[in-house]
Amino acid sequence: DIQMTQSPSSLSASVGDSVTIACRASQSISRYLNWYQQKPGKAPKLLIYAASSLQSAVPPRFIGSGSGTDFTLNISSLQPEDFATYYCQQSYSTPETFGQGTKVDIK
Amino acid sequence: QVQLQESGPGLVKPSETLSLTCAVSKYSLSNGYYWGWIRQPPGKGLEWIGNVYHTGSTSYSPSLNGRVTISLDTSKNHFSLKLSSVTAADTAVYYCARGEMVRGTIPGKRFNWFDPWGQGMLVTVSP
Repeated sequence: DIQMTQSPSSLSASVGDSVTIACRASQSISRYLNWYQQKPGKAPKLLIYAASSLQSAVPPRFIGSGSGTDFTLNISSLQPEDFATYYCQQSYSTPETFGQGTKVDIK
Repeated sequence: QVQLQESGPGLVKPSETLSLTCAVSKYSLSNGYYWGWIRQPPGKGLEWIGNVYHTGSTSYSPSLNGRVTISLDTSKNHFSLKLSSVTAADTAVYYCARGEMVRGTIPGKRFNWFDPWGQGMLVTVSP
């Protein structure tokens, strides 16, 4: 199985800050990487697919980049509604695996 | 916009079979895409369970040791999950989701992702 490791596990930030979340795969997955946002008690929501493609209706302050084994999700100018947990997911091979999540909370 | 809704028993006894259904509205299952189940133990991360394709073919997580069956019912426009021989470790919120695929950068390997997801359903395994 491909292991996905996110860092940090949690971070505190203020509204207006720029934050970066990293995701590393245990082997090369090309650009087969998705990012999801999950708020407490809610289902995950797709933000980014294929490493850098923005899902429809997702604000452009969410930027995905990377290929191979190292990926990042950058949130520029953090908004109140962005405080949530973020997960990466590889779709290169089955079993599809997720990172352990990064919780972004208010400083 | 397509909508998904999980349903089924919220409490299952150990060693029994967990059965959930995902009703799909505003989209016909037979038209394409694929459909998946993902679970999340309380306070933990996401775990992929498996997928069923519009053709009826399936793909399952090996970590579930052959206990999983996912199937389509196009007449009712829903798909189902059965997980046998459950234990307390199977207690989780179970999500259904639609999978989408587009041509990828590697020949024969498409980009795929889950969107949208159902609201989720907590299933507790307890005597």
